[in-house]
Amino acid sequence: KAGVTQTPRYLIKTRGQQVTLSCSPISGHRSVSWYQQTPGQGLQFLFEYFSETQRNKGNFPGRFSGRQFSNSRSEMNVSTLELGDSALYLCASSPGQGDFYEQYFGPGTRLTVT
Amino acid sequence: GNSVTQMEGPVTLSEEAFLTINCTYTATGYPSLFWYVQYPGEGLQLLLKATKADDKGSNKGFEATYRKETTSFHLEKGSVQVSDSAVYFCALRKMNTGFQKLVFGTGTRLLVSP
Repeated sequence: KAGVTQTPRYLIKTRGQQVTLSCSPISGHRSVSWYQQTPGQGLQFLFEYFSETQRNKGNFPGRFSGRQFSNSRSEMNVSTLELGDSALYLCASSPGQGDFYEQYFGPGTRLTVT
Repeated sequence: GNSVTQMEGPVTLSEEAFLTINCTYTATGYPSLFWYVQYPGEGLQLLLKATKADDKGSNKGFEATYRKETTSFHLEKGSVQVSDSAVYFCALRKMNTGFQKLVFGTGTRLLVSP
C-alpha cells in the first residue's frame, strides 16, 4: 500500500505570494492532519480534517487555510507569504478519528519564502 | 495546557552504547504517549507508543514506559547503531476527544559514531 504522498516536495516562493500544498493520504484513510516544522518553533499543529470537515485547528493566523476533498485528499493554502512561513509542512493520515488510530506521516513539503 | 519537554541535544554516542532520551509531559487527564523518529530528509515515523500508565512500548530494540507518577516517557535502547542516528520526538495526544492532534516536544538529535 502506498504511503502518504505530498506534492510538491520543494517549493520556493516570494513574500506576498500565495501557495497551495497537496497531500494524498494512504488509501482508505479518511483523516488528514497538517503540521508545520521550523527550527525555532518545532512541530506545530495546523489543522485536522475528517470527512471533508475541519475538526480541529491550531493557533495560526487566518492566512493559513485548508480543505479536504471527497476522496480524502487534502490541500492547505497559505496566502500573503511571509519569511517566517519558511518551513517543512508535514501531512499525516489516519484511518479514522479517535484513540485507536495511529497517524502516518508523509515526507513533507519544504517551503522556502524569499 | 498540554506540553512535552525533551532533553536538549545533540546526544553523541559510540556504537553499542546505551541510550536514554528523557521526556516529561504536562497534560490534563491521561494522554497517549508516542515516540517518533525523523531521518534526514524524511517525514516522521512512529517508533513506539503507550496508551495508559505502566504500559511499555517497544520496537526495534527501543523501549519506553509510561510513568504516571513522574509524568515521564523516557526512550531507551541497550545498544545503539550508526543507523539509529536521527532526530527523536516525544509526543502526546489527548484521549477521548475524537481528535488526532499531536503535541510534540522539541526533538533530540542522536548522533552515533562507529
